[in-house]
This record gives sequence, structure tokens and C-alpha cells, in this order.
Amino acid sequence: GAVVSQHPSWVICKSGTSVKIECRSLDFQATTMFWYRQFPKQSLMLMATSNEGSKATYEQGVEKDKFLINHASLTLSTLTVTSAHPEDSSFYICSARSFLSTYEQYFGPGTRLTVT
Amino acid sequence: QQQVKQSPQSLIVQKGGISIINCAYENTAFDYFPWYQQFPGKGPALLIAIRPDVSEKKEGRFTISFNKSAKQFSLHIMDSQPGDSATYFCAASPSYSGAGSYQLTFGKGTKLSVIP
Repeated sequence: GAVVSQHPSWVICKSGTSVKIECRSLDFQATTMFWYRQFPKQSLMLMATSNEGSKATYEQGVEKDKFLINHASLTLSTLTVTSAHPEDSSFYICSARSFLSTYEQYFGPGTRLTVT
Repeated sequence: QQQVKQSPQSLIVQKGGISIINCAYENTAFDYFPWYQQFPGKGPALLIAIRPDVSEKKEGRFTISFNKSAKQFSLHIMDSQPGDSATYFCAASPSYSGAGSYQLTFGKGTKLSVIP
């Protein structure tokens, strides 16, 4: 149980285009989903927190107009990187917290984004 | 976000030995302390977690020791195996509702190498 999937697992896009990453909780309903960014050999950096049906809360320094987050249902959240640039290349990971669980977060397998 | 300090940055242990990773925190509002294991190119996987009401929790070869007064917690991996070679992250989360609730603050990670 507690499986979180991400799609795609990797994506290459050209500078200036937009790319959408999906995060799904497969066997539980996620009250809250989190989006992280991880650079090579570094820790996870929280980008934003999204609750189903409400606007995402972005961490300081994260451009909300560039990283659009939609939490449309209790099992799906999407991150859209708009007008991507090479510096947006990174490993993006989502996590989900079940409304049945107080604390546990379950992470997706991550999406490797490369912007050329 | 309040910092969680993790050490060592890297660790080399012989097969069968004990791996010990330490973390310290400052925010007294933290009351959930998970450890995550991450393999290259994968998302973090929840390994074991502890709440402050207990001083130790054991699951198989993995043990968390928690010292509330010192605001420190550690992960012990007994009988370390080459398959345990991965990056380990400690994290901490508060449980209050509202902004920042259940957000994980991660340590910088420890790269563990278990040599045969």
C-alpha cells in the first residue's frame, strides 16, 4: 500500500516550452501533496504544498507563475514548469500524505527534467 | 524552515558492521522524525519513523534512537549489507495545523557505502 506514481519518469524539453508532471496516489486518497526539487548530491528542497481543491502554498523563492501546481482531486496533483530554461533542469519529486495518516509522507519515484 | 543537521556526510562501513547516522534539530515544535532511504535516480522511501513519546524504535535491522532533551536522533543499521548502500536522509515535521503543517525539513543526507 501507499504507492505514489509520477509521470513521466524523465522528460527532455526545449528551452521556452512547458512541461507537465503528474503525481498520483494509487491506493489512497491524498489530502496533501508536496512537490520537491533535488539537485545532484543534494537534499530535497520543498517547493510547494498543495491541498485538494485549494491553491498551492509556495515556499519562499519559488516562482508560483513558473511552477504551476494543480491538486484537482484527492489522487492527482500536477506540476507544470512553464517557459522552461536550462536552470530548471532538476529531479522533481512529489509526495503525498493520506487523510487517514497524521504524519507519513510517501514519495513518488521522481521525474528527471532536462531542458536543452 | 528550521534546520535539521545531519552527520556524517558520508560513511563507509564493512559488511556486517553497524552504520550510525546522527541528526540534531532546534525546532521544539517538531514531533515526527522519519528516516528515508534513497537510491540513485529514485525517490526517497520511508524507512522508519519515531515520535517523541518513545526513546527507541526498532524495525528489523533498523533502529531509531531519540533523545528529546538533547534534541537529537540517530539511525542505526545493524549487520549492514552492500544492498544498504544508499543515501539516507533524516527529516522532521511539526504536527500543528495551518501553514507549514506536516512539512518535512530534511537533513543534507548521508551517503552510505557498505563494502564487502
